[in-house]
Amino acid sequence: LAKTTQPISMDSYEGQEVNITCSHNNIATNDYITWYQQFPSQGPRFIIQGYKTKVTNEVASLFIPADRKSSTLSLPRVSLSDTAVYYCLVGDPYNTDKLIFGTGTRLQVFP
Amino acid sequence: DVKVTQSSRYLVKRTGEKVFLECVQDMDHENMFWYRQDPGLGLRLIYFSYDVKMKEKGDIPEGYSVSREKKERFSLILESASTNQTSMYLCASRLIVGGSNTGELFFGEGSRLTVL
Repeated sequence: LAKTTQPISMDSYEGQEVNITCSHNNIATNDYITWYQQFPSQGPRFIIQGYKTKVTNEVASLFIPADRKSSTLSLPRVSLSDTAVYYCLVGDPYNTDKLIFGTGTRLQVFP
Repeated sequence: DVKVTQSSRYLVKRTGEKVFLECVQDMDHENMFWYRQDPGLGLRLIYFSYDVKMKEKGDIPEGYSVSREKKERFSLILESASTNQTSMYLCASRLIVGGSNTGELFFGEGSRLTVL
């Protein structure tokens, strides 16, 4: 059974960099790691996806070490609007189409 | 623009009633998913589907069934609703890209079900 582990919550201040780590010890060899953001009363939305090393887009960076057993979502210079729940997502190692979310990390950004 | 539509945002049902939650996507995606979301438990996978008439159990299928008669529609059925099925239900779809799981999930806005 695929399982991801994330911190339950994190606090930050505006303008700081936030790093959220997810562990996924039994990730499948061909599996990608994806991160989603969710605001209250909305469905999650895609942030970033990667397979190994580092991926960067206009909103975040994703760092994946060589063993791929964890990944770190990096949000540069957060603002109040980044207050949300962040989920990492991997596939079940025996069926990578079976997409399993973790419990998520609730990020609270303060002024 | 990508759209996943869930038929009802809010429902209130009584214990023992049969409940249908409908989800429609307009992107011709093969994969569709049903999750439930409860405080402190994140999103838990109920069922998913590879394509028309195909379905697979997720982590918590007990008490639920699904139907996928057409590619764009994936229905979640509670045969006999119980109070512990009070939850937020989220539908998602995904395009298969090159046979790997790289496709982005697109979610509906959710259906909040209360079972009395």
